[in-house]
Amino acid sequence: SQTIHQWPATLVQPVGSPLSLECTVEGTSNPNLYWYRQAAGRGLQLLFYSVGIGQISSEVPQNLSASRPQDRQFILSSKKLLLSDSGFYLCAWEGVTKNIQYFGAGTRLSVL
Amino acid sequence: QKEVEQDPGPLSVPEGAIVSLNCTYSNSAFQYFMWYRQYSRKGPELLMYTYSSGNKEDGRFTAQVDKSSKYISLFIRDSQPSDSATYLCAQGAGSYQLTFGKGTKLSVIP
Repeated sequence: SQTIHQWPATLVQPVGSPLSLECTVEGTSNPNLYWYRQAAGRGLQLLFYSVGIGQISSEVPQNLSASRPQDRQFILSSKKLLLSDSGFYLCAWEGVTKNIQYFGAGTRLSVL
Repeated sequence: QKEVEQDPGPLSVPEGAIVSLNCTYSNSAFQYFMWYRQYSRKGPELLMYTYSSGNKEDGRFTAQVDKSSKYISLFIRDSQPSDSATYLCAQGAGSYQLTFGKGTKLSVIP
């Protein structure tokens, strides 16, 4: 069966520090991968998606970037965090059936 | 007009009640309809999905899609305290973009 792992679960970072969040998927190959941010009262915001190694599409211009160095690995990064980057970050994968996405446990990021 | 409207609640019901959760949408291109359950401080968990119109049942959960009125529903029978969570509807048109509702917070009181 397929599983998705996200870490860390919680992160507290100072303003201006770098960020690296990692997501890996097991039990499937060539998944579509997604990064979302969830803010209270604002729903899920798609940040990036990837249909293959090295292929990244950005939905929202911002302080973040994404990379996909391996088929089942998706990384969310920032060189310098802003206060506004605080939020709940979710990774998701999508298999053969389009639009059916499965989420990881999420990372709660607090930028102070 | 927002693409998806979902009543944020909170919705509080006694244990054993039938719960009805609803979303309305405006994009006629949507073909995939999903319901996610999200417990506090956890990632969303896919409960059910439906392609095009119709009903789908899984245990105590029934999902309905009415494309003519652009209305989707999730019914929970014999609700349990463990059903207390936020429920998100989501729709897709087959591309990479999903459109999510903001979620309805449900509390089932023992």
